[in-house]
Amino acid sequence: SQQGEEDPQALSIQEGENATMNCSYKTSINNLQWYRQNSGRGLVHLILIRSNEREKHSGRLRVTLDTSKKSSSLLITASRAADTASYFCATDSGSKTGANNLFFGTGTRLTVIP
Amino acid sequence: DTEVTQTPKHLVMGMTNKKSLKCEQHMGHRAMYWYKQKAKKPPELMFVYSYEKLSINESVPSRFSPECPNSSLLNLHLHALQPEDSALYLCASSQDQWRGLVGEQYFGPGTRLTVT
Repeated sequence: SQQGEEDPQALSIQEGENATMNCSYKTSINNLQWYRQNSGRGLVHLILIRSNEREKHSGRLRVTLDTSKKSSSLLITASRAADTASYFCATDSGSKTGANNLFFGTGTRLTVIP
Repeated sequence: DTEVTQTPKHLVMGMTNKKSLKCEQHMGHRAMYWYKQKAKKPPELMFVYSYEKLSINESVPSRFSPECPNSSLLNLHLHALQPEDSALYLCASSQDQWRGLVGEQYFGPGTRLTVT
């Protein structure tokens, strides 16, 4: 299976604290992406980091990538109650078809307590 | 318009029924995807269409039949499903990567399918 592993499986923090989620994967990648999913709805793309990048920022999000360890982390700073959701990493190993086939990690369920 | 729409939102069907799920996007994306997601699990890739041609079928049973009538539409035809097929079915689209464009996918809200 190409599915990645995420930890922790669940994380509960107070509003204003930082949240860190980790993702490990098995194959070589073109890029790694993070998505958020609210309560059984569609996924929303958060950030993409290419295999030749080590760190990327977007607003309150910071993503790191270590290809030697096949791992990535997502940091959400100054969390808000609205950040409560499931977060998934997804790896893109490239394809010959023009489509990008994503394989999702197991996910982290984040709860931010007001 | 960066929206992917899916209909219906909810579907309950018996094991002998035939139904279809529909997905539509108007972003000019040439890659479209079907995923299946069970509760508290990650999405699992089912089918990939690139330029209206099926490029990936991730060993999905034949009771699921995808169709891409044109570059904006994607259907998933369902027939003789089993109760274990109950899940959230997600559609997504992305720009093609031939020109080195980024690979983010845009997801629809999903169809919650219950097979009785």
